[in-house]
Order: sequence, then structure tokens, then C-alpha cells
Amino acid sequence: QKEVEQNSGPLSVPEGAIASLNCTYSDRGSQSFFWYRQYSGKSPELIMFIYSNGDKEDGRFTAQLNKASQYVSLLIRDSQPSDSATYLCAVNQGGKLIFGQGTELSVKP
Amino acid sequence: NAGVTQTPKFQVLKTGQSMTLQCAQDMNHNSMYWYRQDPGMGLRLIYYSASEGTTDKGEVPNGYNVSRLNKREFSLRLESAAPSQTSVYFCASSENSPHQPQHFGDGTRLSIL
Repeated sequence: QKEVEQNSGPLSVPEGAIASLNCTYSDRGSQSFFWYRQYSGKSPELIMFIYSNGDKEDGRFTAQLNKASQYVSLLIRDSQPSDSATYLCAVNQGGKLIFGQGTELSVKP
Repeated sequence: NAGVTQTPKFQVLKTGQSMTLQCAQDMNHNSMYWYRQDPGMGLRLIYYSASEGTTDKGEVPNGYNVSRLNKREFSLRLESAAPSQTSVYFCASSENSPHQPQHFGDGTRLSIL
């Protein structure tokens, strides 16, 4: 079982829709969770981080954490073509940041 | 403010050659990291340095060495390059522990023939 799992996609949504990206993790002791966006050929860019159960909102982005279910998600409201990228979930496990393989998002005009 | 700077951006090596990838950050961060990214594999931690003077192995340390030269600089060395080390290498830094967000450099694209 992979430590941090994401659907690789591609996930395709129409412009203006809500994109929902999901991530599960194996270590119940994990305490910090991150979402990065990576455009093709570029470096990962931090979008959100969340430490507590519940929702955290920042503009069009909402991170949701459910530690009991070992599940973290990222919602992107009013999706734009410029949101098309790979989204990486990262979880702190054992003092190290473990990344999922990423979900490719395509927003169609 | 440059953030995290990596050099070189591209490099082609022959099998058996050695080279050092350089990383410097200007954010006064204590912790620094080296990752490699391969298609379908996500980012994998090679080595990290929680603070100046300390280094620790990550998931995939074999074939690599690191040096935390000072608080700003963290280098990654390939002593005898192998084709399996063809990858994109990213350096990152964070204020302290991995509980805090990491900021990435632009990456080094390394090909080993």
C-alpha cells in the first residue's frame, strides 16, 4: 500500500465548475498536510496547508481534512483553464514529507 | 528575493562521471531538502538537513551524498552517475521542520547517458 495515494487522473472539468481532488494517507500519526500545484516543466508551488480537522478556505481553494478517515481533499471553485496542472498531495509522516504521485487536472473552456 | 536557487538548470553526464548540484536559499530557513521526481513516481526525498550541521537520509539515498555547507547552501553530489539517476532534482527549504510548508527551487534536469 502506497503511503500517500491520489488518483492520477486526468480529471477533466468544464470552466466554472468545482474540481475535487482527493488524497488518502496511511500514517494515522500524520499532523500536517499540503497541496502543491505543478505546471508542466515547472517546480511545485504551495497552494494550501492544513493541520486541523475540518475545512480551510483561501480564495477559490478549500482544503478539507478528516483524520479519522485519513483523507484530505482540495476543492477548486469556479475552475479556470489556468488551473490546469498536476496537483500534489503531501503528508508529513515520520518527520518527512511524503508526496502522492499527483492528479492531473484539465479545465476545459 | 530569489527564494531557492538551483544550479545548473540542465546537465548531461556520461555514466561514471561525477557532479554536484548546488542549492542556495535566501529565506533564512533552517531546513533544506533534496528530492527527485520521475514520471509516475511523484517526488521522493533523497536527503534532508533539519538544521545547519545535520543531514539525514530520505527514501532514496543510495548513490548520493550531501553537504550542508552553511545555513544557506545544501549541495547534492553524484559520485559515479548511473542512467537510473536520470531525473529532475528539486531542492526545497522550510523554516524549521517538515510540519511547515516547503518552498521549491526551479529544478535541475539531469540526463545520464
